[in-house]
Amino acid sequence: IAGITQAPTSQILAAGRRMTLRCTQDMRHNAMYWYRQDLGLGLRLIHYSNTAGTTGKGEVPDGYSVSRANTDDFPLTLASAVPSQTSVYFCASSEGANNEQFFGPGTRLTVL
Amino acid sequence: GQNIDQPTEMTATEGAIVQINCTYQTSGFNGLFWYQQHAGEAPTFLSYNVLDGLEEKGRFSSFLSRSKGYSYLLLKELQMKDSASYLCAVRDSNYQLIWGAGTKLIIKP
Repeated sequence: IAGITQAPTSQILAAGRRMTLRCTQDMRHNAMYWYRQDLGLGLRLIHYSNTAGTTGKGEVPDGYSVSRANTDDFPLTLASAVPSQTSVYFCASSEGANNEQFFGPGTRLTVL
Repeated sequence: GQNIDQPTEMTATEGAIVQINCTYQTSGFNGLFWYQQHAGEAPTFLSYNVLDGLEEKGRFSSFLSRSKGYSYLLLKELQMKDSASYLCAVRDSNYQLIWGAGTKLIIKP
C-alpha cells in the first residue's frame, strides 16, 4: 500500500441498503476526511477525524456515520442509502489539520 | 455564509499562459490551497498561500491578497497534460477546507 486506498472503486446500491466505504492510509497521518463531490459543486466535507478515537461532523453529515478505531482506517457508513447520496466519495488524510491533504482514488456510488 | 468563486471553464492554447482567479468569503482565513484534478481522478496538491504575495513553483505560481479575498493560479508554458480542473480551497477559522466548484481548463493545440 502506498498512500491512501479506497474500496470499492464503484458500487451500484439499492435504496434502503446499508453500505460501508473503506479507506486506509499508510502514511501515519493523524487527520482523515470524507468528502463527496457532485457535478457543479465543490468538494463537501461529510465527516472528519483529527486523530484516532475522535470524529467530527462536516458540512453534510446527515445519513452518514464514521469511526476511527486506529490511525490507518476511516470507514464511512451509509445506514440506509437514498438516491441523493449518489456521488463520488473521496477519502483524504493530512499529517495535521494545518497541512495539505492527500486524496484517495475515490468511490463512485450510485443509489437507485 | 462561506463562498468560494472561480470561473466554471477556461480555454487556452498550448504554450501560452493562463490565469485562474479565485475569490473567497469565509469565516476566518488560515491559508489557501490550489489543487489539480484530472477527469476521473483524485485532486492533487499544487500550492499553498498563507501570506500575501506570489509563490512560484516551476511552471505554476499562486498569488494571494488577503485584504481583497483574492487569489490566482498562473500556469505558464501550457502543455496538453495541464487540461484538468483546478480547485481553490480556503481553510477557515475551524481549520476545515471550504472548496470552490473548480475551473475546468481546456488546452487546445
